[in-house]
Amino acid sequence: NAGVTQTPKFRILKIGQSMTLQCTQDMNHNYMYWYRQDPGMGLKLIYYSVGAGITDKGEVPNGYNVSRSTTEDFPLRLELAAPSQTSVYFCASSRVNEQFFGPGTRLTVL
Amino acid sequence: ELKVEQNPLFLSMQEGKNYTIYCNYSTTSDRLYWYRQDPGKSLESLFVLLSNGAVKQEGRLMASLDTKARLSTLHITAAVHDLSATYFCAVDGGALVFGAGTILRVKS
Repeated sequence: NAGVTQTPKFRILKIGQSMTLQCTQDMNHNYMYWYRQDPGMGLKLIYYSVGAGITDKGEVPNGYNVSRSTTEDFPLRLELAAPSQTSVYFCASSRVNEQFFGPGTRLTVL
Repeated sequence: ELKVEQNPLFLSMQEGKNYTIYCNYSTTSDRLYWYRQDPGKSLESLFVLLSNGAVKQEGRLMASLDTKARLSTLHITAAVHDLSATYFCAVDGGALVFGAGTILRVKS
């Protein structure tokens, strides 16, 4: 099993550009999550999904959108990128009592 | 709103010494997680604590949970350089809420 995979690993965006961060898991988990981690901080939840077709906002959803058309994939869309969205983004999936994290995407908005 | 506080935020230790990291949280929860993160890497699961009084140990690390006090501790015994990393606790309040992390540096 590959676990949770994320692409790209690194990306630099200009202000106002858009992009999609990809996340895929092969563990057949229903629950998936997107977090952001700012320098020197813990993770903050952006969006989560409890199954295909069901998503909900987390603590910091503004400026982001998600979709969940399959169990495996949970992409995160940034529209009109802003410098405040410079961060490391982690996707995770979970079974009962354990979350599995992807390797992260380091995004810089200039 | 669930809040999670860790202390200390930075810890510099000598090899061979013992120390404890504390994780306090503000609302009732029966599930608490500890993670390790190396620089530029993802999070590695260390412990899942599921009930009051739970204690788990792995090598030089031991974690405990007191749900009545809303407190978890991560105890480091006889620290070694390889334990240098950032340690996060996270509390399950429906979704995980993370503490700010404790940067641990073990000096030889």
